[in-house]
Amino acid sequence: QQQVKQSPQSLIVQKGGISIINCAYENTAFDYFPWYQQFPGKGPALLIAIRPDVSEKKEGRFTISFNKSAKQFSLHIMDSQPGDSATYFCAASIRSGAGSYQLTFGKGTKLSVIP
Amino acid sequence: DAGITQSPRHKVTETGTPVTLRCHQTENHRYMYWYRQDPGHGLRLIHYSYGVKDTDKGEVSDGYSVSRSKTEDFLLTLESATSSQTSVYFCAISPGASGTQYFGPGTRLLVL
Repeated sequence: QQQVKQSPQSLIVQKGGISIINCAYENTAFDYFPWYQQFPGKGPALLIAIRPDVSEKKEGRFTISFNKSAKQFSLHIMDSQPGDSATYFCAASIRSGAGSYQLTFGKGTKLSVIP
Repeated sequence: DAGITQSPRHKVTETGTPVTLRCHQTENHRYMYWYRQDPGHGLRLIHYSYGVKDTDKGEVSDGYSVSRSKTEDFLLTLESATSSQTSVYFCAISPGASGTQYFGPGTRLLVL
């Protein structure tokens, strides 16, 4: 099963609050879990990523928490700012033919940070 | 956008017309991908390439073909465009050392 389930679909957070987006997967062959941030009219941009041998990774205000046994991972945005308002996609990567990796994406979460 | 350009950026075409979208990279990455993005579906893989003249199908490949004659260029062709192919198309590149992919700015295609 290649599916990655992402929730919530949309999220409204007050400035300074914590934004939390969750993802779950089924295929234990996934071995790399990136998060992408997308602003309207732009391509997705890699935000932060984690491998399943690590339970947490932090980069600035962005943290990924990873629970291998539950097959779940989440993105936490601390001190959320209006500039963080964007659509966020989780993804899971699996090695496929000829050394390439295929990404399976969640359906996205539209985050709005209000002043 | 990590040295990736897509052309055209916007296109309006009619049903039954062939359409070719171009992805050009300056990073010399081996792997290139084409995705489509639709509301409620996220990003779905159409085709990918693991080298010059080496391509394979993705999740939603029906109605699409690709070609890669040079490392830097990956073309996506809709042989006979249909309204269901109205979408935003993204190209991505990867050095292949991990699952990291870098996306281009996208092409917005409207099929009337």
